[in-house]
Amino acid sequence: SQTIHQWPATLVQPVGSPLSLECTVEGTSNPNLYWYRQAAGRGLQLLFYSVGIGQISSEVPQNLSASRPQDRQFILSSKKLLLSDSGFYLCAWSVGQSSGNTIYFGEGSWLTVV
Amino acid sequence: KQEVTQIPAALSVPEGENLVLNCSFTDSAIYNLQWFRQDPGKGLTSLLLIQSSQREQTSGRLNASLDKSSGRSTLYIAASQPGDSATYLCAAAMDSSYKLIFGSGTRLLVRP
Repeated sequence: SQTIHQWPATLVQPVGSPLSLECTVEGTSNPNLYWYRQAAGRGLQLLFYSVGIGQISSEVPQNLSASRPQDRQFILSSKKLLLSDSGFYLCAWSVGQSSGNTIYFGEGSWLTVV
Repeated sequence: KQEVTQIPAALSVPEGENLVLNCSFTDSAIYNLQWFRQDPGKGLTSLLLIQSSQREQTSGRLNASLDKSSGRSTLYIAASQPGDSATYLCAAAMDSSYKLIFGSGTRLLVRP
């Protein structure tokens, strides 16, 4: 069966420090991968979307970047964190083109920038 | 630009009550619509997915309907239980890329 792993689960980082959140998917190949953010008092917002290795689409201008070095690995990064980067980050995956295919989410990573 | 709205923002009901959560969207050309459950501090769990060609989907005590012409979806929960307490999110996908547009959620509390 397919599983998605996301880490770290929680982190507190000072302003200006770098960030790396990792996500891996098991049990499937060539998944579509996503990074979403849920900020306090706001809904879920899509940050990045990837259909394959090295193919990244950024949905909103921001201080973050994403990379996909392997088929089932998706990394969210920042060189210098801002206070506004605080939030709950969720990785997700889906496969195929059918409208009946579900998207699956990881357990999330809580980021607090202080 | 698609916008998804959920009403009410919060709901408190006694155990055993049947309830309806509402989701509305501005662009009827959706690819599919999904309902998710989110427990505090956790990720999202997919509950039901309705394809654009479908009118409803059922899973156990849950039933979700879709009316594209009116831009509405509802999630019906029968015989609610305290374990149903969570935030319920609806999200619309506009194409096969699955870039979901989420509503802000309905926070449900089922009182024993």
